[in-house]
Amino acid sequence: EPEVTQTPSHQVTQMGQEVILRCVPISNHLYFYWYRQILGQKVEFLVSFYNNEISEKSEIFDDQFSVERPDGSNFTLKIRSTKLEDSAMYFCASRPTGTGGTEQYFGPGTRLTVT
Amino acid sequence: AQSVTQLDSHVSVSEGTPVLLRCNYSSSYSPSLFWYVQHPNKGLQLLLKYTSAATLVKGINGFEAEFKKSETSFHLTKPSAHMSDAAEYFCVVTGYNTDKLIFGTGTRLQVFP
Repeated sequence: EPEVTQTPSHQVTQMGQEVILRCVPISNHLYFYWYRQILGQKVEFLVSFYNNEISEKSEIFDDQFSVERPDGSNFTLKIRSTKLEDSAMYFCASRPTGTGGTEQYFGPGTRLTVT
Repeated sequence: AQSVTQLDSHVSVSEGTPVLLRCNYSSSYSPSLFWYVQHPNKGLQLLLKYTSAATLVKGINGFEAEFKKSETSFHLTKPSAHMSDAAEYFCVVTGYNTDKLIFGTGTRLQVFP
């Protein structure tokens, strides 16, 4: 069964460093998302992406964040200058187009630790 | 604004006994509702979804949920728990005029032998 994959599973970085979290969505999906979950808190929406542009973003998704689909398979989340409060589990999700329903398919997550 | 409230942060059951995980929603329109499950070190997996068709929704692994508009509830049930059901369960609603998902705080299900 096709699934969303994410790399790395765990990333440790120092405050102020740039990180790139990578995702490979399911191959025939065209809508892509990033969510995050700070330890002990709810899963929160960050951004949605369709047709090579951001379709919606939350107030969390400030200028320090960016997303890109650099090729036909990868979908990345970049944090330009990490802060301690960026430590969280980051989930990538994708969904198909058309009338396939609104469910999103999630990857296993990348745990980001900022020290 | 749309939101969901999961009424229990932890639920413990014995194997073979029924499971009930409670979720209430708040929405000013007819929502789409989901239950996702997360096993340790795994991604979020869709259990079932409600999208304004049948109010009783059947999902994978024997789970089902009933949409009750009068009670604004979408509780998840299973007649007989299995050890492999131990996981974190999330009740989720879609936002208005958007496909972003709004998550509840999660319920950790423990299953004892």
